Amino acid sequence: GQNIDQPTEMTATEGAIVQINCTYQTSGFNGLFWYQQHAGEAPTFLSYNVLDGLEEKGRFSSFLSRSKGYSYLLLKELQMKDSASYLCAVRDSGGYQKVTFGTGTKLQVIP
Amino acid sequence: NAGVTQTPKFRVLKTGQSMTLLCAQDMNHEYMYWYRQDPGMGLRLIHYSVGEGTTAKGEVPDGYNVSRLKKQNFLLGLESAAPSQTSVYFCASRGHDRDGLISNQPQHFGDGTRLSIL
Repeated sequence: GQNIDQPTEMTATEGAIVQINCTYQTSGFNGLFWYQQHAGEAPTFLSYNVLDGLEEKGRFSSFLSRSKGYSYLLLKELQMKDSASYLCAVRDSGGYQKVTFGTGTKLQVIP
Repeated sequence: NAGVTQTPKFRVLKTGQSMTLLCAQDMNHEYMYWYRQDPGMGLRLIHYSVGEGTTAKGEVPDGYNVSRLKKQNFLLGLESAAPSQTSVYFCASRGHDRDGLISNQPQHFGDGTRLSIL
């Protein structure tokens, strides 16, 4: 099975950089996803990592270390609209490739 | 660009009532999922389908049934609603992976159904 840990809440200042960590234990690994979820809305896809290293997409970057069972999401030049929950999700390597979600990190951006 | 559409958006039921939640996707996706999201619990998989006519149990299937008679639709049924089923329900779909070695297709989510059982 999968076990995923993320901090429950974080606060950061507008314009700053914030790093949201995710650690996981898995019986088989086939990729890690980050989703953004604004309050009362659906999760939306941000990034995907399956190989070690950094993936960059504009103000958002995601890093993966498979040997450490560790990922982080880096948000640069924070904007007020980045206030949301950020969900880490791990896909396993079984035939169905089930995705397990962490409980999410609620990020509050303050002026 | 409808994507994944869930109906209804809100519903209040009494204990013991039944209802069906509908999920429709227009992306020709093979895989469809039903999740529930509760405070502090994250998204938990109820049932899923890997293609038309197929369904399988997820982490928390008890009290729910599903059907996928058409590729674009995935129905979630509650036969006898209980207060413990008060939650926000999300449907999601995913297409086939484009690379045979790397699974890189994300799930696309509907806007959710907020269900309260009294």
